[in-house]
Amino acid sequence: NAGVMQNPRHLVRRRGQEARLRCSPMKGHSHVYWYRQLPEEGLKFMVYLQKENIIDESGMPKERFSAEFPKEGPSILRIQQVVRGDSAAYFCASSPPSGRLFGEQYFGPGTRLTVT
Amino acid sequence: AQSVTQLDSQVPVFEEAPVELRCNYSSSVSVYLFWYVQYPNQGLQLLLKYLSGSTLVKGINGFEAEFNKSQTSFHLRKPSVHISDTAEYFCAVSLGGSEKLVFGKGTKLTVNP
Repeated sequence: NAGVMQNPRHLVRRRGQEARLRCSPMKGHSHVYWYRQLPEEGLKFMVYLQKENIIDESGMPKERFSAEFPKEGPSILRIQQVVRGDSAAYFCASSPPSGRLFGEQYFGPGTRLTVT
Repeated sequence: AQSVTQLDSQVPVFEEAPVELRCNYSSSVSVYLFWYVQYPNQGLQLLLKYLSGSTLVKGINGFEAEFNKSQTSFHLRKPSVHISDTAEYFCAVSLGGSEKLVFGKGTKLTVNP
């Protein structure tokens, strides 16, 4: 059973460009979470999605950031008009239907975004 | 709102020595508790979790943690560390019924020969 897949692993963007980060959950998992890790910080929750639904986006910045999890295909975290402060590691996690209420989440390897 | 405090940002130890990484949380409701390990440039791997039952939880790689409700703590321990345990360790909590994890800032464990 493959783990959570994220791509790309490393992404370099110039200020003002768009960044698209992809996440494929583990097989059988229909709940996806995105977290951001800034240097010297722990992970901060951004958004929680089920297929075709955003359940909790309380951690998402109000502007430039969006997320989706379509019926088919991976979950996408999109950052428009990136700024240097967006440089961070972005982690995706997924959970099984039975484990989500217990916080049981499995993490991908992350995408390290560098904005130059 | 709940929060997680990892009291030590860095812990250096010698190989084969015991280690304890401290974690305290604040919450007025029941929580589930987790420890994750992150090796350099990798994702997070679940070490162990406390959901209910016995307060002493055993995880992978010889780690264990004890849930202490009165002290709101969930400290991670290993009796004898190896060089390969060098990594960053994160404590996390989720409120019962909540789907998001709240993480501490992490503790960098460095095991020296």
